[in-house]
Parts: sequence; structure tokens; C-alpha cells
Amino acid sequence: EVQLVESGGDLVQPGRSLRLSCAATGFTFDDYAMHWVRQSPGKGLDWVSYISWNSGSIAYADSVKGRFTISRDNAKNSLHLQMNSLRPEDTALYFCAKESPNGSGYYKPFDLWGQGTLVTVSS
Amino acid sequence: DIQLTQSPSFLSASVGDRVTITCRASQAISSYLAWYQQKPGKAPKLLIYDASTLESGVPSRFSGSGSGTEFTLTIGSLQPEDFATYYCQQLNSYPQYIFGQGTKLEI
Repeated sequence: EVQLVESGGDLVQPGRSLRLSCAATGFTFDDYAMHWVRQSPGKGLDWVSYISWNSGSIAYADSVKGRFTISRDNAKNSLHLQMNSLRPEDTALYFCAKESPNGSGYYKPFDLWGQGTLVTVSS
Repeated sequence: DIQLTQSPSFLSASVGDRVTITCRASQAISSYLAWYQQKPGKAPKLLIYDASTLESGVPSRFSGSGSGTEFTLTIGSLQPEDFATYYCQQLNSYPQYIFGQGTKLEI
């Protein structure tokens, strides 16, 4: 089955760290760039981070730059997000998402999403 | 940075209605726009990319149009399963894959 399954979400105190993982199955993982997108409770979608198929290109939203690190292990079909110096405003449901092979532009839409893992940052 | 503004933020409609949601970009993004549907407690689902290309498996009552700075998502005849929140996403500005704030479609 083609799917993404996130894990690692938890309740953590401000300033602490957390590592999220995303397991990919049913497709050739190392053919595709991957993203993390988050959604605060009752709010809209916020793009967090991007990693190219070979980890050669990485990008972050300004709100997480310098605190979060995206990585992938193509041998294990897994994507990760290391989250340091967590803040209450990082509280959200974190989705991993796969880039589509379709689209005429260089930048592709996201055609496969996981169900999300909840991160709560609170004392 | 490019900003996307969706209107309306909330839309009340009935089964069988034709509805249109608008997404405006703060600067021209050619046709590099996607639309997603999200139901409560679920992940977003890709509906349309390149402003008007229907993703495989998406019902033909969904359509998209526009280019430059103004885009629309139209649902031709609302079905009960279409009541959800819809987001636009710009794909022009690497790597800031910005989303609109969402439009909640309610009965």
C-alpha cells in the first residue's frame, strides 16, 4: 500500500527537543523530494521544510530555520525532522508529504500525505 | 514573499449548488497553483495542480482556472462529501510552498 506514516509526536516542555519520523511504503522513496507541513489546532497549513531526493537541497521556513533539521535515509525509506529549542508556537499536527511527479513547473504539488503526528509544546 | 489570500473564508451552500472559491496571489505566479481538500481529522488531498489540471481520481465536478494573480476553484454540483476546507498553494517561488488561509465550505 502506498502510504506515509508519521511518528514521534509528544508533549514536550519549551526549549526541549523532539525527533519526528515518517515511514514510506509502496513507492520508490528515493525518487521523490519530501516535505514537512504543520497545522496548528484549528488553523491552516504551514509549510515547514523540504529535502530533495538525494538530500542535496534542503530548505526551511523562516519560523523554524536554525532550530529544525530535516534529513532522510533512503536505505530505510524514512524521513526525519529534528526539532530543537521548541516553542509553544510549534504546537501542531505535523504531516510529511511527498512531491508529485506531475506539474509543469519546477516546483511540484504534494500528492501523498501521512495522517500526521501531534507535537504539543507546553510547560 | 508571495502571499495568498482566499475568499471567502467561510461559505455556506447546499447539495447541488455550484460554488466558486477564489485565491489571489500578491504577485504573479503564472499557473503554478494547486488546490487541496481537507476533511476534519484527515490529511489534505490534492485536487488540482497547474491551476487547472485535475489530479487523477478527482471527480470532474471539480475544476480550476486562472493564471497570474487570480485563480478559482469551482465545484459544479456539490455532493455531501465535498463539505470540507479547501486550500490553495503556490508553486512558483522556491522553496516557499505557501498555502492560502483556507476556505471552509459548510452546509
